[in-house]
Amino acid sequence: EAEVAQSPRYKITEKSQAVAFWCDPISGHATLYWYRQILGQGPELLVQFQDESVVDDSQLPKDRFSAERLKGVDSTLKIQPAELGDSAMYLCASSYDRTTNYGYTFGSGTRLTVV
Amino acid sequence: AQSVSQHNHHVILSEAASLELGCNYSYGGTVNLFWYVQYPGQHLQLLLKYFSGDPLVKGIKGFEAEFIKSKFSFNLRKPSVQWSDTAEYFCAAYKAAGNKLTFGGGTRVLVKP
Repeated sequence: EAEVAQSPRYKITEKSQAVAFWCDPISGHATLYWYRQILGQGPELLVQFQDESVVDDSQLPKDRFSAERLKGVDSTLKIQPAELGDSAMYLCASSYDRTTNYGYTFGSGTRLTVV
Repeated sequence: AQSVSQHNHHVILSEAASLELGCNYSYGGTVNLFWYVQYPGQHLQLLLKYFSGDPLVKGIKGFEAEFIKSKFSFNLRKPSVQWSDTAEYFCAAYKAAGNKLTFGGGTRVLVKP
């Protein structure tokens, strides 16, 4: 079964440092999502890509977060500088298109701890 | 604001007990509804989904959910749980106008053997 790959699985960083996460969606999936899941809460959408274009980044804290999907395939989410409140699980998901008719497939996530 | 709410944060029950998890959404109009499960250390997996038609949907592992439009609810049920059902369960809603899947806060279920 095809999977969404994410790395690293775990990341510990000091506050004010930069950190980056990588996601490789399922081949052929045009839509890619980054979600943040704070402990004890449900995932919240940070940014959505359709191919290489951002279609929704309304919940992305743009002063410190950035995301790109340059070739419309894999994607990188960056935080600079990291703050203590950024500690969370960062989930990547992909889908065939922007509808949910084909479902979302989630990766295993990157657990970030900011110390 | 559009939201999805799950009534229980934690549920503890014994094997063979019945499970029902509540979910309410605040969207009007057409909405697609989902239940996802996250087993310890694993990624989110789709349990079941409702788009239209029969409001009682059956998913994997013996789970089912009932869509009640008048109550804006989509509750998850399982008649007899197993220890392996210990996990966190998330309700989610998708409204085409926003092209966004919104999750509830999750319910942690612990099944005691």
